[in-house]
Amino acid sequence: AQSVAQPEDQVNVAEGNPLTVKCTYSVSGNPYLFWYVQYPNRGLQFLLKYITGDNLVKGSYGFEAEFNKSQTSFHLKKPSALVSDSALYFCAVRDDSSASKIIFGSGTRLSIRP
Amino acid sequence: GAGVSQSPRYKVAKRGQDVALRCDPISGHVSLFWYQQALGQGPEFLTYFQNEAQLDKSGLPSDRFFAERPEGSVSTLKIQRTQQEDSAVYLCASSSRQGLSGNTIYFGEGSWLTVV
Repeated sequence: AQSVAQPEDQVNVAEGNPLTVKCTYSVSGNPYLFWYVQYPNRGLQFLLKYITGDNLVKGSYGFEAEFNKSQTSFHLKKPSALVSDSALYFCAVRDDSSASKIIFGSGTRLSIRP
Repeated sequence: GAGVSQSPRYKVAKRGQDVALRCDPISGHVSLFWYQQALGQGPEFLTYFQNEAQLDKSGLPSDRFFAERPEGSVSTLKIQRTQQEDSAVYLCASSSRQGLSGNTIYFGEGSWLTVV
C-alpha cells in the first residue's frame, strides 16, 4: 500500500530565506510523486511532479523538489521565499502498479513572515 | 472548458437531506476522481472513473455515497440521508489519459458541504 508522510504541520520562514517542506513516501512499485498547493477556500493547484529522470524537478512559482530514492523523500524547496507563498502544501504519491488514485499527505502550512 | 468545474460551490443541507454534487472535467479527460477533504486535513480518495466505468470505489465511506458518470464526461456525487460527519469539501479532479500513473491530476475548486 502506498502512503505519504509530511512530518511538519507548520513551517515558518522569513521572506527572502530559503524554505524546505518535507515529504517521505512508501510505495510497493516505482513512485510517482507530486506537490500541490492550496490557498484559502480554493482547490489544489499542481506545482510539480517526479516521474523519472533527473532527481531535481523544477516547477511553478520558483519551486523545486529533490527526489531521493535511498531516503524515500521528495522535499519541496525554494531558494528565496515570498510572503505570497504562504499556503497549505500537500505531497502526494502514486505507484506504477496503480493507474488510479493518488494518496495525499496531511499537509504542511507554510507561513512566510515579511 | 479551461479547468475542472464543480457546482454548487457551497451547499448547506439539513441532516437527512439528499445532496448531489456535479463535476465537469477538463474537456477530453478520460480519468475522473472524487476526493473528500475535511477541514485542515489532506484529501481522501473516494472513487475513480475511466470514461464511464467506475474502476475503484474503495474510498466511498458508506452505501449512502454514490457516484456516476453515465456518458464518460460529467460526473455526479450523490450523498443520501446526509449526516453531520459528511461536512467537508468534495474535490473533483481529472487527468488526460488512462493507464499512465505519471499523469498530472487537475483539481476543481471544490464543493463545500455543510450539514446542519
